[in-house]
Amino acid sequence: KAGVTQTPRYLIKTRGQQVTLSCSPISGHRSVSWYQQTPGQGLQFLFEYFSETQRNKGNFPGRFSGRQFSNSRSEMNVSTLELGDSALYLCASSLGGSGVRDTQYFGPGTRLTVL
Amino acid sequence: AQTVTQSQPEMSVQEAETVTLSCTYDTSESDYYLFWYKQPPSRQMILVIRQEAYKQQNATENRFSVNFQKAAKSFSLKISDSQLGDAAMYFCAKGAQKLVFGQGTRLTINP
Repeated sequence: KAGVTQTPRYLIKTRGQQVTLSCSPISGHRSVSWYQQTPGQGLQFLFEYFSETQRNKGNFPGRFSGRQFSNSRSEMNVSTLELGDSALYLCASSLGGSGVRDTQYFGPGTRLTVL
Repeated sequence: AQTVTQSQPEMSVQEAETVTLSCTYDTSESDYYLFWYKQPPSRQMILVIRQEAYKQQNATENRFSVNFQKAAKSFSLKISDSQLGDAAMYFCAKGAQKLVFGQGTRLTINP
């Protein structure tokens, strides 16, 4: 079974631009979560989608948004990019729908650099 | 806010020896999951082992085992017979759909 895939793997943008990252979950997984990883803040939860609905949200500004499609693929959008948005963005998928009894499997990440 | 603490930023061990990575957490929940993930230089986050809080038996996966002390809110990872391929950042995490991660422990394996 194929793992979680993320595209693109690397991205360079300038301040003020917007960016869209994509995540395809493991086949059969209905939950997709997004995380931001930076050297200073570590790994921080952005949001989680299940059955096309945002089920959990982290403490990030409204510039960060996401969505999930009927095939469980998810996209994350960051508008008006700031230098501090430079990070590794990790997507994880899980079966979902079972409360706490779930395990997340991660994709390889998208490295975003904001100049 | 829930927190996960890894008090050892770096650890090193000789190849073939045993090393233990520490993790403590804060929670008011009675039912939760705990995880150890490994992140090698490729940055791919790999699941190492997981523990259900309602299970008293410590989880084991080949050379990896945990010491789960629920009352003390402690969840350490023991790696036996360390191999060069075990070198990575190790993250302790708590939760389910919304994981809370520790700051990580960088593990070096000395040949």
